[in-house]
Amino acid sequence: QVQLVESGGGVVQPGGSLRLSCAASGFTFSNYGMHWVRQAPGKGLEWVAFIRYDESTKYYAASVKGRFTISRDNSNNTLYLQMNSLRAEDTAVYYCAKGGGYCSSTSCPFFDYWGQGALVTFSS
Amino acid sequence: EIVLTQSPATLSLSPGERATLSCRASQSVSSSLAWYQQKPGQAPRLLIYDASNRATGIPARFSGSGSGTDFTLTISSLEPEDFAVYYCQQRSSWPPVTFGQGTRLEIK
Repeated sequence: QVQLVESGGGVVQPGGSLRLSCAASGFTFSNYGMHWVRQAPGKGLEWVAFIRYDESTKYYAASVKGRFTISRDNSNNTLYLQMNSLRAEDTAVYYCAKGGGYCSSTSCPFFDYWGQGALVTFSS
Repeated sequence: EIVLTQSPATLSLSPGERATLSCRASQSVSSSLAWYQQKPGQAPRLLIYDASNRATGIPARFSGSGSGTDFTLTISSLEPEDFAVYYCQQRSSWPPVTFGQGTRLEIK
């Protein structure tokens, strides 16, 4: 069955960096676009970034552009999110999500599978 | 950016009742709209895609309708496990992908 398992969350200081990973299994990872979606405590869902199956296209939300970098390693079925210059407002649970759910395009952002989430918080 | 506005913010109903949740888009998204359910401490789950199609394994009591700018998620007869937060999401014009702010369905 499809599994997405995030890791790398933790406590950071403002201005710090963190790299999240998402290990994928149960589907042909190299065929699908992948996304990161985050959720601040008690808030709604916010799309963060997208990477095409072949890394040829990447998109970012305006709130993270220039600070976050999405990448992937198709040989190891792993998605990454490098987060730099972190701010208090980046505090959230970060989910990786598989694209292409019920779409003709494997990039399309209908998310049929999600990871359990990785929590990023800030030290005061 | 397409803004999705969900109403009501909170809906209080009893098991067995019918729930009607709304999502309005700031411009037409055709039928490129999905609905997700999220329970506390869990990731969202895709319920409906392309406005009216149930995802695999989703019970028939969940149905979606609408096109253009106005959409509805209906739960015909609420089960105890249906009390959760529901989000709509559009893929018509992206980036960015946008979600509604959510409707909390709570037990009355």
